[in-house]
Amino acid sequence: GENVEQHPSTLSVQEGDSAVIKCTYSDSASNYFPWYKQELGKGPQLIIDIRSNVGEKKDQRIAVTLNKTAKHFSLHITETQPEDSAVYFCAASRANNLFFGTGTRLTVIP
Amino acid sequence: GAGVSQSPSNKVTEKGKDVELRCDPISGHTALYWYRQSLGQGLEFLIYFQGNSAPDKSGLPSDRFSAERTGGSVSTLTIQRTQQEDSAVYLCASSFDRGSREQYFGPGTRLTVT
Repeated sequence: GENVEQHPSTLSVQEGDSAVIKCTYSDSASNYFPWYKQELGKGPQLIIDIRSNVGEKKDQRIAVTLNKTAKHFSLHITETQPEDSAVYFCAASRANNLFFGTGTRLTVIP
Repeated sequence: GAGVSQSPSNKVTEKGKDVELRCDPISGHTALYWYRQSLGQGLEFLIYFQGNSAPDKSGLPSDRFSAERTGGSVSTLTIQRTQQEDSAVYLCASSFDRGSREQYFGPGTRLTVT
């Protein structure tokens, strides 16, 4: 089965700085890679996703990059704000099931 | 429109008791998923429904766990003879159809087995 590893487990940045979270996956057949943001007491919220036919995708302050050869993908958040503080999960899928990383707790320091 | 809803939001039960967790997916979504999130861990896939059928039950941890879906809408996850290691947040997600990858999550049910 698929194995997704995520790093770092915790990340603290100053407000306005950038944050980068990295994930690797094991199944070369995986072709869909979403990122979720989970705030305390809430379910994960889909914030951006990328498919394997694309190398990069941006949505305002958020971008995701995918390197299929190396089987890794990354989330980039620029100009971080305190409301970006949350736990972020990456996931990989080649069919219907999502396989999740173990999460990164991002803290943005005002 | 309304998102995925789950009930109860919190459930405390004694070891050995049975529990039922409910999920109401987004209206019109035919695919439904159950996940388990243990403290400080990622999300663990449990089961997937397409309509009322469950083509993938591979994530259910033991035969104490079962799930059903009726009318292509509401789903119930049942845990029989609960154990302390069942304590976790149980999350439900839905997506538009089998080919749609975007899954939308509910707020979860926090289960505590004492």
